[in-house]
Amino acid sequence: NAGVTQTPKFQVLKTGQSMTLQCAQDMNHEYMSWYRQDPGMGLRLIHYSVGAGITDQGEVPNGYNVSRSTTEDFPLRLLSAAPSQTSVYFCASTGTSGSRTDTQYFGPGTRLTVL
Amino acid sequence: KQEVTQIPAALSVPEGENLVLNCSFTDSAIYNLQWFRQDPGKGLTSLLLIQSSQREQTSGRLNASLDKSSGRSTLYIAASQPGDSATYLCAVDRGSTLGRLYFGRGTQLTVWP
Repeated sequence: NAGVTQTPKFQVLKTGQSMTLQCAQDMNHEYMSWYRQDPGMGLRLIHYSVGAGITDQGEVPNGYNVSRSTTEDFPLRLLSAAPSQTSVYFCASTGTSGSRTDTQYFGPGTRLTVL
Repeated sequence: KQEVTQIPAALSVPEGENLVLNCSFTDSAIYNLQWFRQDPGKGLTSLLLIQSSQREQTSGRLNASLDKSSGRSTLYIAASQPGDSATYLCAVDRGSTLGRLYFGRGTQLTVWP
């Protein structure tokens, strides 16, 4: 298994540009989520999904959109990039919805800089 | 809102020392608590998961304990090695949102030879 994969690894955007961060998992996990990690702030939840077709907002959803058309993929879209969105983005997945025994698996991260 | 605090923020020790990392959380109504390791420029790797009904979990040189009533967890690392150098993150699953983890800011550990 490749686990959780993310692309790209690095990205530089100009203010106002849009882009999509890709996330995929091959473990048939129902739950997927996006976090951002900022210095001194810890990881904060952006959006999450408990299954295909179901998404919801986390702690810091503004400026981001998600969709979940398949179990495997959970892309994160930046609608109009702002310097405040400069961060490292992590995608995570975990096992069967409703289970509290599964650990979460994290992707390697996407380092985004918005100029 | 669940607040998770980790102390110390940074720790530097010589190889071979036993050490303890601390994590505290404000809301004791949790489902589980996880300890993660993060290497520079990398993602998070799960080390240990403790269910709310458990008191501790062990994996190799790592031992994590949980005291829900006092809102505390500790990660004990025995006989530390330079390869243990990384940032250690504590995260709690509060249960209000499935799979939603609340993270501390981490303890940056350096083990020198």
